[in-house]
Amino acid sequence: GDSVTQMEGPVTLSEEAFLTINCTYTATGYPSLFWYVQYPGEGLQLLLKATKADDKGSNKGFEATYRKETTSFHLEKGSVQVSDSAVYFCALTAPFTGGGNKLTFGTGTQLKVEL
Amino acid sequence: EPEVTQTPSHQVTQMGQEVILRCVPISNHLYFYWYRQILGQKVEFLVSFYNNEISEKSEIFDDQFSVERPDGSNFTLKIRSTKLEDSAMYFCASRGVSPLHFGNGTRLTVT
Repeated sequence: GDSVTQMEGPVTLSEEAFLTINCTYTATGYPSLFWYVQYPGEGLQLLLKATKADDKGSNKGFEATYRKETTSFHLEKGSVQVSDSAVYFCALTAPFTGGGNKLTFGTGTQLKVEL
Repeated sequence: EPEVTQTPSHQVTQMGQEVILRCVPISNHLYFYWYRQILGQKVEFLVSFYNNEISEKSEIFDDQFSVERPDGSNFTLKIRSTKLEDSAMYFCASRGVSPLHFGNGTRLTVT
């Protein structure tokens, strides 16, 4: 079945450091890929998405490129801020599921940014 | 921006009791979902709902679970006889053409 694998957390960085959170996936066909963010005490918010190979999703300084050859969708940010501290979830929806495009999530990676 | 709202934010119940978790999806959305997140674990799909019927459900969504859209605006998840292992954060989500929009969740604690 479909699955998403993320790097284990927590990831602890100093402010202005470079961030990479790795994500790889297994899916039939050509899934759409997403990064969701969960701030403390809140729900899941869509951060960015990519729907086909070589697409780059970007938002709030975060980027991720859909790499079909490596089945990856790594999240990057050039300079993190304390306010970026949250849990980040990689997810996919597989095509033709017939179920209204349910999301399959990774386990989440907690990011802590310190001054 | 319209949002998905869930009530209550936190519910405590005793094992064996019935609970109903409520959600108001975004008004023009047609697809509705419930997910859950056991503390420290991944977010898991429970069920999707479209055109007044379940379109897909996971293995977790057994006979103890049911969903309803009773009045065209609310979308509810009922657990008939709660177990300790049902303790989790339950997220409602909805979508139209766009990706899913999630509510802030209901934290269910079964004692």
